[in-house]
Amino acid sequence: EPEVTQTPSHQVTQMGQEVILRCVPISNHLYFYWYRQILGQKVEFLVSFYNNEISEKSEIFDDQFSVERPDGSNFTLKIRSTKLEDSAMYFCASSAAGDNSPLHFGNGTRLTVT
Amino acid sequence: GDSVTQMEGPVTLSEEAFLTINCTYTATGYPSLFWYVQYPGEGLQLLLKATKADDKGSNKGFEATYRKETTSFHLEKGSVQVSDSAVYFCALTRNQGAQKLVFGQGTRLTINP
Repeated sequence: EPEVTQTPSHQVTQMGQEVILRCVPISNHLYFYWYRQILGQKVEFLVSFYNNEISEKSEIFDDQFSVERPDGSNFTLKIRSTKLEDSAMYFCASSAAGDNSPLHFGNGTRLTVT
Repeated sequence: GDSVTQMEGPVTLSEEAFLTINCTYTATGYPSLFWYVQYPGEGLQLLLKATKADDKGSNKGFEATYRKETTSFHLEKGSVQVSDSAVYFCALTRNQGAQKLVFGQGTRLTINP
């Protein structure tokens, strides 16, 4: 069964550094998402992406964050200058369509900012 | 704004016990409701869903019924197995188009043999 893959599984970075989290969504999916989960807290929506542009973003997704689909297969989340509070598990997801089409999640990238 | 509240965990049961994980929601309109499961070391997987009032979602022996009058979507299973040990997340979405899921805090379930 096709799956969403994320790399790396664990990323350690120093405060102030840029980090890029990578995702390969399922190939025929059209909608792409990033969610995050700070340790011990809820899974939170960050951003959705459709037709090569952001369709919705949360208040968490400020100017430090950006997303890109640089080619036909990858979907990336960039954090320009990481802060300690960016430490979290970041989940990529994709869906074939909108509305009630199920989201398929990757296994996540654990980001640790020191 | 929209929100989802789940029963506090962790929940520990013996094999073959009956499981209920409570979930209530706050949302305007008619959200779609979901249960996601996260097994150790893996991503979130859709377990079941319901898109309108009185719908029952079911999968792998788990069931949940969309109750609009009580704004609830409780997860149940009649006889749990050790392999059901995981974290369970209740979630809702109201969006048309891209899905902005609102999650509950998750409930860790451990089943002992």
